[in-house]
Amino acid sequence: RKEVEQDPGPFNVPEGATVAFNCTYSNSASQSFFWYRQDCRKEPKLLMSVYSSGNEDGRFTAQLNRASQYISLLIRDSKLSDSATYLCVVTSNSGYALNFGKGTSLLVTP
Amino acid sequence: SQTIHQWPATLVQPVGSPLSLECTVEGTSNPNLYWYRQAAGRGLQLLFYSVGIGQISSEVPQNLSASRPQDRQFILSSKKLLLSDSGFYLCACDTGTSAYEQYFGPGTRLTVT
Repeated sequence: RKEVEQDPGPFNVPEGATVAFNCTYSNSASQSFFWYRQDCRKEPKLLMSVYSSGNEDGRFTAQLNRASQYISLLIRDSKLSDSATYLCVVTSNSGYALNFGKGTSLLVTP
Repeated sequence: SQTIHQWPATLVQPVGSPLSLECTVEGTSNPNLYWYRQAAGRGLQLLFYSVGIGQISSEVPQNLSASRPQDRQFILSSKKLLLSDSGFYLCACDTGTSAYEQYFGPGTRLTVT
């Protein structure tokens, strides 16, 4: 079983739509969780950390379910600029390394 | 906040040639430093990490090596490149205080021919 699994997509949605991405992870000892955004041929950039109680940052909402080892990202009112690959990330056993999913591709169309 | 510099941005090297990629960090002291590789169609793979000068941990055995000669300098090297070394090499850092949040440099895109 892969450490972090994501639906690769692509998700094609119109502007203004709401879209949700899901992610599962295998290491029940993982302590920290993140969503990163990666534009084509660019470095990943931290979008938001994910907290147990769930957290929101503007149009973005992240949820964590430790029992199911499941993380989600909800994007409301999608913008063209949201088009990117979204990477689900969890900490590994080593405590230093991060395990990255392969990413979910989002294309927002006019 | 920290800034990560990487060079070169792109590189085309023949099989069997040596490699040296450099990463420098500004705006923070004593960071934890990381080298990742992203091959085409694959996720990020951690290659090395360092918690201090001269301290290197390898996550994946291969023909690459890393060194940290200064607090904010991290170097990735190879004596002889393989075709399979092609990929997008990313340097990252964290401050060790922000729950493992890592920040990435702009990366080096390496093509081995």
